[in-house]
Amino acid sequence: ETGVTQSPTHLIKTRGQQVTLRCSSQSGHNTVSWYQQALGQGPQFIFQYYREEENGRGNFPPRFSGLQFPNYSSELNVNALELDDSALYLCASGARPMNTEAFFGQGTRLTVV
Amino acid sequence: GIQVEQSPPDLILQEGANSTLRCNFSDSVNNLQWFHQNPWGQLINLFYIPSGTKQNGRLSATTVATERYSLLYISSSQTTDSGVYFCAGNFGNEKLTFGTGTRLTIIP
Repeated sequence: ETGVTQSPTHLIKTRGQQVTLRCSSQSGHNTVSWYQQALGQGPQFIFQYYREEENGRGNFPPRFSGLQFPNYSSELNVNALELDDSALYLCASGARPMNTEAFFGQGTRLTVV
Repeated sequence: GIQVEQSPPDLILQEGANSTLRCNFSDSVNNLQWFHQNPWGQLINLFYIPSGTKQNGRLSATTVATERYSLLYISSSQTTDSGVYFCAGNFGNEKLTFGTGTRLTIIP
């Protein structure tokens, strides 16, 4: 059984650019959630995808968008990057319709300069 | 909104000591998880514990859902236990709401 994997592990972007982060779900899981963790804080929910559709969103602007693919992998896209977008981005996979244990990837550390 | 508070925020212990970390939540929880965040940022699953008590080696956890709290016990601490511990709950929607975290430092 493979775990949740994310790529890349580190990324440096310039303010105003766009970025795409990727996540492969754990085998047997059908939901993917994305979280943003700023330095010194707990992770904050961005959104969840289930059956290739957004299924719940946190307090993040529309320039944060995502995709889920038929193989349950996912992308997080952030447009018009701002300095405050610098953070650790975590992907979690789980199973629905039952709320079950979530498993996280190792994260992508994004730095916006 | 739903509040998840952890205490203490920081804890410094000598190797071999025992510790108790607490997680209080403001609403009924569907499921609750404890995580250890390693220095590289990965969240390591410790317990999935909506209610009751579980043990895994030197670690154990108890959730009393009716009283809206969970406890994580670490016995005979080792330096590798250092890091940030988070509790996170699902409160009837699709997201996990994370606590404020406890930073544990184990001194050799």
